[in-house]
Order: sequence, then structure tokens, then C-alpha cells
Amino acid sequence: ETGVTQTPRHLVMGMTNKKSLKCEQHLGHNAMYWYKQSAKKPLELMFVYSLEERVENNSVPSRFSPECPNSSHLFLHLHTLQPEDSALYLCASSQAFRGSYAFFGQGTRLTVV
Amino acid sequence: KQEVTQIPAALSVPEGENLVLNCSFTDSAIYNLQWFRQDPGKGLTSLLLIQSSQREQTSGRLNASLDKSSGRSTLYIAASQPGDSATYLCAVRPEDFNKFYFGSGTKLNVKP
Repeated sequence: ETGVTQTPRHLVMGMTNKKSLKCEQHLGHNAMYWYKQSAKKPLELMFVYSLEERVENNSVPSRFSPECPNSSHLFLHLHTLQPEDSALYLCASSQAFRGSYAFFGQGTRLTVV
Repeated sequence: KQEVTQIPAALSVPEGENLVLNCSFTDSAIYNLQWFRQDPGKGLTSLLLIQSSQREQTSGRLNASLDKSSGRSTLYIAASQPGDSATYLCAVRPEDFNKFYFGSGTKLNVKP
């Protein structure tokens, strides 16, 4: 248990569905991240929130929409996804301005059919 | 842009061997470097964190070193066990703090 909880753990959705991934941390961290992990590729940074403000958006398609309502919660809203979006989506948190560890959740395994 | 490379991509060793995993990065302006372990289909578990001012960190049978000027880090695993089988990832944090760059990982298999 890393202190970062992601739900759901598995998700199968059709290309016309709308779903949301949730991430929650109670470690007192002030930065949260979404990463995408596809087979045989390095982890790709998608979004970074620092002090609840989005500070990084790595050219992610608009069908992915992040939301950070407070420092403990992070969402990734999904709509009209493509099969190539199937991957493991990982949430992480850390302190933004100190050399602290990054803690990762267990991930959501997303399959788009 | 920072690039992180891990060698080898896969490693298979008999139980009890000492082994070294390598990580290299192209931009030495890093704040810290972190080693993670990932079991199949699971999230990442943090193993060791080395600040840019440090040379090494140790935890149990694990020892990580950092040579910032040459852009290299190694993870040394002593007396490997089958339970060490996993993918090991290194990640560097640049000095603007707000991101981590990951390597592709080394998949380790320790045979009983």
C-alpha cells in the first residue's frame, strides 16, 4: 500500500462511452500526476497538477480531460476513446518543491473496445 | 529533452547472484533519481531515492549509486532471490521539479 489509491482497477469501455478514473492520496503531497504505460514503451507523462493548478499538459488528445478539485484528488475523464488508448494508467503524487519520493498507485487497466 | 536509457532490457540470473542494473540519462541537470520496482500488471513501488548531491543510497540488499556528472546510476542487488523478479525502472527528476522521466525498464528474472 503506497498511500495512493486508484479506482477502478480495471475498466472496459466502448469507444462512445464516457468514464472517469479516480486517484486519491492522503500523504499531504501537493503535486499529482497522470502517466500512461503502454506495452514496451516508457511511461509517458500526461498531466501534472501542482498546488491544484495544471502545470503540464504533454500534448495529450482532448478526449482525455483531467480534473483536480483539491490536493488529495485527481480525476481523468475519458470520452470517445480509441482502441490505441488501451493501457495502464498510473497516478502518482509527490511534493512539488522538495526532493521527496514519488508514490504511485496500482493503476487502472483500461481496455477500449 | 531528457532521455533515460536502461541496460539491459532483460536479465535472467540464478538465485544467489549479485547483479547490477544500469540507468543513464542525457541531461545532468537533475534534482534526484528514483528507482522503482513494478510487478506485472501492477503499479510502481519506490525502492530508493538519491538526491543530486548524494553518491549512493542503501536499503537492505539494494544499493543505488549516482554519478551525476556522467549521467549514470546503478542499482546493485545482492544475493538475488526469486522474489526479486520484476521490472526495475529508474526515473530522473529535472530541476524544474514537476515531472519525472522514466527509462523503459530492466525485466529481471531470478531463477530458483
